[in-house]
Formats: sequence, C-alpha cells, structure tokens
Amino acid sequence: ETGVTQTPRHLVMGMTNKKSLKCEQHLGHNAMYWYKQSAKKPLELMFVYNFKEQTENNSVPSRFSPECPNSSHLFLHLHTLQPEDSALYLCASSQGGANYGYTFGSGTRLTVV
Amino acid sequence: AQSVTQLDSQVPVFEEAPVELRCNYSSSVSVYLFWYVQYPNQGLQLLLKYLSGSTLVESINGFEAEFNKSQTSFHLRKPSVHISDTAEYFCAVSWDAGGTSYGKLTFGQGTILTVHP
Repeated sequence: ETGVTQTPRHLVMGMTNKKSLKCEQHLGHNAMYWYKQSAKKPLELMFVYNFKEQTENNSVPSRFSPECPNSSHLFLHLHTLQPEDSALYLCASSQGGANYGYTFGSGTRLTVV
Repeated sequence: AQSVTQLDSQVPVFEEAPVELRCNYSSSVSVYLFWYVQYPNQGLQLLLKYLSGSTLVESINGFEAEFNKSQTSFHLRKPSVHISDTAEYFCAVSWDAGGTSYGKLTFGQGTILTVHP
C-alpha cells in the first residue's frame, strides 16, 4: 500500500471507447499529478492540480480530460484515443513543498487497440 | 531553468559488483535532490533524498548518494548489487522558488540497471 491508489491496473480500450482512470490518495497531500510513461521515453508530465485547481497542462491533447473533484481524488477521462496513447499512466501526489518529493501510485497500463 | 541529466541510459553489471548511476543537475538556486526506483510495471518509489546537512545520504537497502555542489552532481552508488536491484532509476530535482512554489519535481531520463548472475 503506497498511499496512492490507481484503478484499474490494466485497461484495454478501442479507439472509439470512453473510459476513465482513477487516482486516490489518503495522505493529506494538496497537489496531484498525471504522468505518461511510454517505452523508451522520459516521463511526461501531463497535468498538475494544486488544491483542486489545475495549475499546469503540458499541451496535452483534448482527448485526455482531467478532473479533480477534491484534493484526494483525481480522474483522467479518455475518449477517442490513438494507439500511440498506449502507455503506463502514473498518478502522484505531494505535500506541496519543494522538499517533500512525490508519492506515486502503481500506475494504469493502458493499451489502445 | 532547472534540468537533470542522467548520463547513462543503461548500466549492465554482474551480481556483487559495485555500481554507480550518474546524475547531474543544472540550477541557479538551491535544490533538493531525489532518487526514485521503478520496478517493472510499478510506480516510482522514493529511494533516498538530499535536503540539507550531510552530503552523503543512504537508503535502507544499501544504496547511497553524495551531493556534490561544486560538480552539481548527485550520483547513486552501491558497493555490491543483487539481482533484485534490477530496475529503472530516476534522479529528480526540486527547488524552493518560494511563494507559489508547489515543489514540482523535474526528472531525469532514467537509467536502467540490469544485474546479471
């Protein structure tokens, strides 16, 4: 139990499907993050939320839609994805200060067919 | 702007041999430094971190890293590796910009450590 829980662990979806990834933390953290990790590529920061407000969107295509209803929950809504969107999607949370670092979830392995 | 460079994308090594994974950073302000480890199909786990004080920091499983301000480096070392150390290792840096800083981490590209029997 890492303190950050991601569901589902694995997801296979067609290009016309709509699905959502869920992230939940019970650490009392104020910031939450979505990362994309593709094979042989660096970690890509997608979105940042602080106190439920989106503070960063790194030019992510609109087929990825984040939602943060409260400081403990973060969703990533997916629709009309492409095969190149297949990757490990990681959620992380942090206390917010520069010296705390992040706590990561185990990730959702997404395959788009 | 702050940046992190991990100089080796892959490091193969034999079991019980020593290993060093290199990390250099670029920053004009004081930084905090982290090493994370990622086992296959898992998230990243914090291995160790440097915040202040002693420049040598250790993890519970035998890894250590030394903060070298003059060389802007934070290399990770282990004197004798095990098969179970096979994983990808990420160096990361954050900085205290004050005010609205939320401790954003900048990650290196990762180093895949493969320990052979």
